[in-house]
This record gives sequence, structure tokens and C-alpha cells, in this order.
Amino acid sequence: DTGVSQDPRHKITKRGQNVTFRCDPISEHNRLYWYRQTLGQGPEFLTYFQNEAQLEKSRLLSDRFSAERPKGSFSTLEIQRTEQGDSAMYLCASSLATANTEAFFGQGTRLTVV
Amino acid sequence: AQSVTQLGSHVSVSEGALVLLRCNYSSSVPPYLFWYVQYPNQGLQLLLKYTSAATLVKGINGFEAEFKKSETSFHLTKPSAHMSDAAEYFCAVSVANFGNEKLTFGTGTRLTIIP
Repeated sequence: DTGVSQDPRHKITKRGQNVTFRCDPISEHNRLYWYRQTLGQGPEFLTYFQNEAQLEKSRLLSDRFSAERPKGSFSTLEIQRTEQGDSAMYLCASSLATANTEAFFGQGTRLTVV
Repeated sequence: AQSVTQLGSHVSVSEGALVLLRCNYSSSVPPYLFWYVQYPNQGLQLLLKYTSAATLVKGINGFEAEFKKSETSFHLTKPSAHMSDAAEYFCAVSVANFGNEKLTFGTGTRLTIIP
């Protein structure tokens, strides 16, 4: 297993366009998380799944954002009608739903909205 | 709600000197505490974590941290800095059941090593 994989690594889009990011977690991990990191800040929690169920969403996740994990494996994060303020690094992490385990992070997708 | 404050957005130390990165937390319930490291354009790697067992936690790459409830602190230390330690370091807190569902991160400390 090569760890958490995110695609694409970089995305440049024009304001108003829709973008979709993909995250492939570590294969046996049933929990999957999305975080957003803006320049000079720490990551901020967006949402997380246990298997295919989305268990929590942050208030940061506006109506333009939607995340899915249809078969409990990979996940997608879609941003509709992108705005310049959406420019950030989007990080995915996965873990087991057991005590004292760690969340493993992917390398992130850097989004630039121009 | 829980929060983390990292004192010092930038820290510079000489190679071979002590590294001390400060983290204070706020939580109404016993927390789980973490230190992560991030290299440029990379994801986060866990250095160490506190999960209510031993208060002195040893991690990878020679780092350790001590949980002090009375001071609500979880400072990260390393006795002797290496050039490869130059990176961004994030302290994080979680109070969820398993400790990793929802991490709240500090704003980070950029560590520079002076040759």
C-alpha cells in the first residue's frame, strides 16, 4: 500500500468553474477526512466519512461544496462555482475507526482559482 | 470547543542546539494531542501523540513532548537540531472518541535550522 493518494496534485481553474478532487485512502481504512489549508494557516476540518456515511460536516463546507464516498472506498470533493477564496490546499486523510490509531494524510491537492 | 495556540510562527535554532516549539491547548474534556510535521508542498506526517497514557511522549526523528495538564501545554522538544528538521510543525487537539475524527490545528511554527 502506498498510502493516501490524492489526484490531481495541482489544479488551476477560472473563477466560476466547477472542480472535483479525488482521494484514495489506505485500503483497510474505514474513516476518511477532508481538510482545507490556506497559506500560512493550519489545516481546517471540513468533513469526514465512516465507510460511505458522511458523519460530520463543518460550517466551512458551504452549499457549493459536496463530498461523497459512494462505496466506502475513494472519496470525491466537488466545489461548484469556484471563488478566489477557495484557493487552498485540500488535504485528505484516512484512519481506522479504533482507539489510538493515527490519521494518515495524503500530499494534498493545491487549488488556485484565477 | 477545543483550540490550540502555537507561540511563535517562526523559530530559528542553530544546528545541534535544542529545539523547543510551544503549544498550549484549550479543552473542556481530556484531550488527545498531536504534533505533525509538514515539508513544502507535502501532506502532514505524525511525529507523536498523547492519548492519556504516559505524559512524556516520544516520537519519530528524536522528538518528544510532555503533556502538562496544569499548564495546558504540550511543547515539542528535540535535544539536538539537524538540518533535516527544517519544516513547518503543527500542534493539534481532538476530543472525539477515538482521538482522530476531527483534529483542530494550530497555525503552525516554521522551524529554520542555521548551519
